[in-house]
Amino acid sequence: DQQVKQNSPSLSVQEGRISILNCDYTNSMFDYFLWYKKYPAEGPTFLISISSIKDKNEDGRFTVFLNKSAKHLSLHIVPSQPGDSAVYFCAASALIGNQFYFGTGTSLTVIP
Amino acid sequence: ETGVTQTPRHLVMGMTNKKSLKCEQHLGHNAMYWYKQSAKKPLELMFVYNFKEQTENNSVPSRFSPECPNSSHLFLHLHTLQPEDSALYLCASSQVEGPQETQYFGPGTRLLVL
Repeated sequence: DQQVKQNSPSLSVQEGRISILNCDYTNSMFDYFLWYKKYPAEGPTFLISISSIKDKNEDGRFTVFLNKSAKHLSLHIVPSQPGDSAVYFCAASALIGNQFYFGTGTSLTVIP
Repeated sequence: ETGVTQTPRHLVMGMTNKKSLKCEQHLGHNAMYWYKQSAKKPLELMFVYNFKEQTENNSVPSRFSPECPNSSHLFLHLHTLQPEDSALYLCASSQVEGPQETQYFGPGTRLLVL
């Protein structure tokens, strides 16, 4: 049973525009969420995180929004750059235990 | 070396071979993990070591055998694998201090079982 879902396997965005990547989860015990970015032939790189006590966290061009009632989070990248082209994974963890649950990833292509 | 390193980066093995994957973390973390990444599937957690003690084993077949000799090194011993075990194997580490932690990943080992 997949507890973290990324329903869009791919997304294409024009350079300079906003990229919005979505993630849904089913476990209400999750209280910490992360986004990872993965280039081909490399391991995932931590990008940004958010705790369940917040509904928004911003770091430069990257902003993560959390809607706990909808069990939904999103990653906004603005403005999008060609170097942002990668696979983005959403991950979640619960207070108890240090196990992370990952989505299947969304492949973002930023078109110059 | 910095971060999390993994060797080898690529491995081709037959079903009767025995091989080992190595992971080393240079971050001073106290927990290490093995994940399996198959195409179009979520990252699958295989093993967790906290303070060198195995705390999670997510129903992984016995043909995968982990070893954590110290908090900086993690091995995955492979024996009589199946073609469906072909995947990217990722190692990660984290500092477990409270409820919220970030995992840092190595580059992965791309494994092909023939």
